Amino acid sequence: DAEITQSPRHKITETGRQVTLACHQTWNHNNMFWYRQDLGHGLRLIHYSYGVQDTNKGEVSDGYSVSRSNTEDLPLTLESAASSQTSVYFCASSTGQHPYEQYFGPGTRLTVT
Amino acid sequence: AQTVTQSQPEMSVQEAETVTLSCTYDTSESDYYLFWYKQPPSRQMILVIRQEAYKQQNATENRFSVNFQKAAKSFSLKISDSQLGDAAMYFCASTSGTYKYIFGTGTRLKVLA
Repeated sequence: DAEITQSPRHKITETGRQVTLACHQTWNHNNMFWYRQDLGHGLRLIHYSYGVQDTNKGEVSDGYSVSRSNTEDLPLTLESAASSQTSVYFCASSTGQHPYEQYFGPGTRLTVT
Repeated sequence: AQTVTQSQPEMSVQEAETVTLSCTYDTSESDYYLFWYKQPPSRQMILVIRQEAYKQQNATENRFSVNFQKAAKSFSLKISDSQLGDAAMYFCASTSGTYKYIFGTGTRLKVLA
C-alpha cells in the first residue's frame, strides 16, 4: 500500500546543531508540505513543493530549508536548531487534483535543549 | 490574509449524544475546499469529511455531517451518536491557493462515558 513515512519519530538535539527530518511518500504525489504543530496554533505551514526542484516558503519558514531532488522525498533541515523550534513536525502530500486532499505522515516530535 | 477560526478550545459530550464543533473562515477565493481532520492521541491526522464550496449540499459521512453556510463563511461539524473513540483533537482547514491548507487552532473533544 502507498504511504507517507517520517523519520525519526522522536529526536532530541542541542541548540545550534543542524537537524534533518526525513519525509518519504510512495503515493507518487507532486505536492509535498511540511507543517509544525504547536499548542494554541494548530498546524502552520513551513515549506512546500509542487514538484521536483520546486520549493516555496510557507507561513513560518525562518530557520528551515527544504530541497526536492525527486518525487518521493522532501527533507526538512533546521540549519541551527533553536529552542523555539521544539515542536511536532508533520509532512503531507497531495496529488494536486480534486478534491485536493492531503495525506499526512505520523509526525516527528523534536525537542531542542 | 486567509484565516480559519475555531473558537471552542475544548468541548465535552456524553456518549451517544450529539455535539457540534464550530469553524469560521475568511477567504477571497471563489473556489475552495473545506476539511475536518481528527487527531487522536496517536497524533495521526485522519480526514473526517470534506466539503466543496461550489456544492450547496452539506457533506455527510456516516455519523459525521457538516453545516456549510457559505454566505456566513461557517463550516461546523456535527457528530451524532458520539462514541468514546471520537475523543480527539479536531482541526478545521481551508484550501489556500488550491493546494495549500490553512488550519484552525483545533478543538479538543472529550467524550464522557
